[in-house]
Amino acid sequence: DAGVTQSPTHLIKTRGQQVTLRCSPKSGHDTVSWYQQALGQGPQFIFQYYEEEERQRGNFPDRFSGHQFPNYSSELNVNALLLGDSALYLCASSARQSNQPQHFGDGTRLSIL
Amino acid sequence: AQSVTQLDSQVPVFEEAPVELRCNYSSSVSVYLFWYVQYPNQGLQLLLKYLSGSTLVKGINGFEAEFNKSQTSFHLRKPSVHISDTAEYFCAVSVKTLNTGFQKLVFGTGTRLLVSP
Repeated sequence: DAGVTQSPTHLIKTRGQQVTLRCSPKSGHDTVSWYQQALGQGPQFIFQYYEEEERQRGNFPDRFSGHQFPNYSSELNVNALLLGDSALYLCASSARQSNQPQHFGDGTRLSIL
Repeated sequence: AQSVTQLDSQVPVFEEAPVELRCNYSSSVSVYLFWYVQYPNQGLQLLLKYLSGSTLVKGINGFEAEFNKSQTSFHLRKPSVHISDTAEYFCAVSVKTLNTGFQKLVFGTGTRLLVSP
């Protein structure tokens, strides 16, 4: 049973560019959340998707957007990249009708030059 | 707003010694609490969770935590650590939006456990 998978594992971009990160949830999960983890910090909640709609959002600018597909997979898009966007981006999945904890992928390490 | 405080940024300890990693939370509603571990260049792995019931929670790799509502704490303990326990440990609280029921995790800043021989 595959867990949460994320791609790519590493990515290098320059300021002003755009990036798309991808996530496939754990089998049986229908809700996907995205977190940003800056170096030396705890993960910060970006947003959450369920039934292809954004359901809640953290304190991130509109440059951060997302999408969820009918197969529950998800994308995180970041436009107009800034140096401060350099971080580990973590995807977590869960089942909507459950209080069970979120399962995390290994993340995408994004470096902005 | 809910928040999590991990008082120690780094905890050095010798192999086979006991360890306690401290976590305090603030929340005005019922909470679900978690400890996650992060090894270098990896994502987060769930160590243990408190949803309800017994306040002493046992997790993987010999870790346990105690939920203390009066002190709003959820400290993580292990009676005897191994070199392989060296990692970053994150305490988190699940915050539920009352009108929708959707939950998100609020994390502390993490505690780096350094186990030396």
